[in-house]
Amino acid sequence: DGGITQSPKYLFRKEGQNVTLSCEQNLNHDAMYWYRQDPGQGLRLIYYSQIVNDFQKGDIAEGYSVSREKKESFPLTVTSAQKNPTAFYLCASTRDRGYGYTFGSGTRLTVV
Amino acid sequence: QKEVEQDPGPLSVPEGAIVSLNCTYSNSAFQYFMWYRQYSRKGPELLMYTYSSGNKEDGRFTAQVDKSSKYISLFIRDSQPSDSATYLCAMTQPYGNNRLAFGKGNQVVVIP
Repeated sequence: DGGITQSPKYLFRKEGQNVTLSCEQNLNHDAMYWYRQDPGQGLRLIYYSQIVNDFQKGDIAEGYSVSREKKESFPLTVTSAQKNPTAFYLCASTRDRGYGYTFGSGTRLTVV
Repeated sequence: QKEVEQDPGPLSVPEGAIVSLNCTYSNSAFQYFMWYRQYSRKGPELLMYTYSSGNKEDGRFTAQVDKSSKYISLFIRDSQPSDSATYLCAMTQPYGNNRLAFGKGNQVVVIP
């Protein structure tokens, strides 16, 4: 079945470390998105990519970086510059605006 | 003023009751309207999708859009304990980058 796979499900980061969250889709979708979800804050857009080798900052891009070298993959790196990275991270993709987003199952990142 | 306003609740109802959820928005350019359901520690899943104004029904779920009032609603009839989740509204314009504007989500608890 087609879908979006996020890994790992749980991730622990030490202070000062960079960590990379994986997002892979086999839906042949062009556009992919990264969101951060905090209690009471809803979904906040970090980065998005509408096509391979191109991506744009969302509303809270500081302290994060992405790449889009393949259509299927859109990894997110949480850098040490992100001061409060503990959150639930969601990856999504879409075929076109007439179809809504498909979300992955999320990665819960905790700073230890 | 936020683009999309959604009362976060929580909303507790007895099993079998009708659940009524709503969102208001400020951007009159929005034409695509969605409702997502998110279970705890999972990614959101698309529940209902409506283009422009009107009603859409799918089983126990009905989505309504009133563009003149900038107001959308989701009704769940004969609610079940399995409907206990967070419901997020989302919307986007018919042009541009297809970024979704999300409400903060409304937690619903159906009590057996």
